[in-house]
Amino acid sequence: QKEVEQDPGPLSVPEGAIVSLNCTYSNSAFQYFMWYRQYSRKGPELLMYTYSSGNKEDGRFTAQVDKSSKYISLFIRDSQPSDSATYLCAMSVNFGNEKLTFGTGTRLTIIP
Amino acid sequence: GAVVSQHPSRVICKSGTSVKIECRSLDFQATTMFWYRQFPKQSLMLMATSNEGSKATYEQGVEKDKFLINHASLTLSTLTVTSAHPEDSSFYICSASPSNEQFFGPGTRLTVL
Repeated sequence: QKEVEQDPGPLSVPEGAIVSLNCTYSNSAFQYFMWYRQYSRKGPELLMYTYSSGNKEDGRFTAQVDKSSKYISLFIRDSQPSDSATYLCAMSVNFGNEKLTFGTGTRLTIIP
Repeated sequence: GAVVSQHPSRVICKSGTSVKIECRSLDFQATTMFWYRQFPKQSLMLMATSNEGSKATYEQGVEKDKFLINHASLTLSTLTVTSAHPEDSSFYICSASPSNEQFFGPGTRLTVL
């Protein structure tokens, strides 16, 4: 079993829809949960990070963590074509200078 | 945000040759850098942790004699793929952290013919 599981998609939704991306994990030591966005042939860029359980909102993006279920989500409201990318969840025990464990990434396409 | 660069962005080489990839932190010092590898439609897999002034720490299953890492300064880490083979063709990405957030380089696409 992989430490982090993520549905690879692909996922296609119409512009303006709400997008839900999810990951599950098995390592209960993970404390920090991150969502990265990666465009084709580019390095990942951090969208949001959350510590422990709870919600965090940043503009159209909301990250949720449920440590009891070992389940994390990223919601994108009012999706735009520019949101089309691969979204990767990542986790670590500590934040900052520590290795990250990534999900496989979900390829998202927003259809105008 | 902080900037991490990689060079080259793309390299094509013949089987059996060695290829060096550079990772630089442009506006901060990094005592630790991370090297990841990403195969098509797969996730980033950590290969090794590069430590300035000391030996790198390799993940299980990664051959340290094949993937040589040198972190000679606080702003530069290099990854050398020795005697490259077609199965080494992949997207290699480094990351570094000035404090909390990790910043990723743009990646190097290696194609071994």
